[in-house]
Parts: sequence; C-alpha cells; structure tokens
Amino acid sequence: YELTQPPSVSVSPGQTARITCSGDALSNQYGYWYQQKPGQAPVLVMYKDTERPSGIPQRFSGSSSGTTVTLTISGVQAEDEADYYCQSADISFTYVVFGGGTKLTVI
Amino acid sequence: QVQLVQSGAEVKKPGASVRVSCKVSGYTISELSMHWVRQTPGKGLEWMGRFDPGDGETIYAQQFQGRVTISEDTSTDTAHMDLTNLRSGDTAVYYCATLPGDWGQGTLVTVSS
Repeated sequence: YELTQPPSVSVSPGQTARITCSGDALSNQYGYWYQQKPGQAPVLVMYKDTERPSGIPQRFSGSSSGTTVTLTISGVQAEDEADYYCQSADISFTYVVFGGGTKLTVI
Repeated sequence: QVQLVQSGAEVKKPGASVRVSCKVSGYTISELSMHWVRQTPGKGLEWMGRFDPGDGETIYAQQFQGRVTISEDTSTDTAHMDLTNLRSGDTAVYYCATLPGDWGQGTLVTVSS
C-alpha cells in the first residue's frame, strides 16, 4: 500500500502549516510523523495520529479523518524547516510503509 | 532511553555484499524489535524489514527479499543488516531504528566501480 504526501509546503513564520498524508491503510492503522533535517536521522514528532512525544513543542499537533492524517504546526518557526515523513504500520509493526516526504519551507 | 550506534561508512563494488551493524545500549537487544530503513540520495525513507525477538521472526519488504538478511547477536546487543549483490541504486544511508522511537545515526553505503 502507499501513503501520499504533497512534495512541498511553504509558509511564513508565525503561520500555520498543515501537511497531509493519505492512504487506504490509514483507515484502520495509526499514522506517525517524523521530522528530518539535513544530515540528521529522522525524529518522531507525532505518534498514533495525535500523540506528541515528550520534548516535542506544543505547536505540533496531529489529527486523523478517514484515510488521511494531518500534521499541523501552529506558529511555524524557522527551525521547523525540514522534511516531514508520515508512516503507518499494523498494530504490531509487522509491515511498515513511509510516505514520500514533504519539504516544509519557512519563507 | 535506547541508544543505537551504527558502524562506519562503507564503499563497495557492484556485486559485493555489505554488513551494517547497530550496537544497542540502554536496553538489551532481546527487548527490542529492530527495523532497518534506508534513504537513497535526495530521496525518501524506505522500510527494508525488521527482526522480532519475541518470536524470532524476520519480515522483509518485498523489494528486498532474497538480498537482505537481518539478524541479531544477543551476546553483544548488536543488530546486523546484510545486503548482497549490491548495485549502484543501493547507494544510500542505512538506518537501524526501534520504530516508532529511536534511530541510529545512519551508515552511508556507497556502491561504485
């Protein structure tokens, strides 16, 4: 199965960025979001659709509807510029799939 | 918290094999399900497979079946990913990860004649 993300999203500092991820598997599987900055390993910023790991700023939030999960960054800051990847898996993480990634540009 | 430290960069010729290792600290490897993910230059993340110590089962993504082997050494708390018959398209950064949580720092594998 596949997960589809927009290749790029651009926002101005202080605005709200919304990054979507769509795929049939999301109708019965959780979505996860990773942030990746150049030269670094991905970092988990959202899990189980709406749960934020400790240490992730409150401006990051997640939502889910049908076959789409959305990562929302409110009050975007320059440091949020990065690639964002969604991921889904069955409950036991037997099979995992990643979306193609979205480049967030803060202009 | 789990810490994952991977082996160093590798340069291989087409047709060769490579082993990437991932040393676990903070937990014993038998407590973790280790996944392997790769990222080709300028491209996205690609899941390769995982080892589940609970049942000893290894699952591979279809596109890697027959070329990849994921294993663990419980005596050294180290996971291994072996990829055979390398081609230029396998040039990538390879990560171990305890999805959805912690990631290794990545290992660059370059395949070039």
